[in-house]
Amino acid sequence: DARVTQTPRHKVTEMGQEVTMRCQPILGHNTVFWYRQTMMQGLELLAYFRNRAPLDDSGMPKDRFSAEMPDATLATLKIQPSEPRDSAVYFCASGREKTGTLNEKLFFGSGTQLSVL
Amino acid sequence: QKEVEQNSGPLSVPEGAIASLNCTYSDRGSQSFFWYRQYSGKSPELIMFIYSNGDKEDGRFTAQLNKASQYVSLLIRDSQPSDSATYLCLSGGYQKVTFGTGTKLQVIP
Repeated sequence: DARVTQTPRHKVTEMGQEVTMRCQPILGHNTVFWYRQTMMQGLELLAYFRNRAPLDDSGMPKDRFSAEMPDATLATLKIQPSEPRDSAVYFCASGREKTGTLNEKLFFGSGTQLSVL
Repeated sequence: QKEVEQNSGPLSVPEGAIASLNCTYSDRGSQSFFWYRQYSGKSPELIMFIYSNGDKEDGRFTAQLNKASQYVSLLIRDSQPSDSATYLCLSGGYQKVTFGTGTKLQVIP
């Protein structure tokens, strides 16, 4: 079965350290999403790529977060420096878009559980 | 106003009853809507999707879309304890894909 692969599954780090999360979208999917989920906020969109180009990263704190797609098989989300309030589950999802709208389901990775001490 | 709104719940229903989950959206350009179920500690999984006004049924699940009123709902018939989860509404608007914050459903045995 095709699946979105996220690494690492769990990350514990100290405040101030750099954190890099990786996502391998499903082959053939042209959209990639990064979401953060906490108990208080639910699913928050951090970044959204179509055909590797960033479309919306308005939900991402620009001073410390960055998202890139160096190629079609890899998306990265970096936090530098990390802070305790960044502790959350980070999900990557991929899908296919045609004509600018999402008309097929998103496939989610298993998430990265991040704890910043 | 949030772009996609859901009542956070929890919504409690007895086993065997109908659970009704609602979602309103503000983007009139949204063409597609998806309902995801998320168990605690797991990633969201798709339950239903709907593009056209009216009802769409799949087993115990029925999705309803009313574009004029800008709401989409999910009905779960014969609710089971295994349906207890958070249900997320996703609006697939033009260049804007937005999740609601989810409704927690509890099915009481």
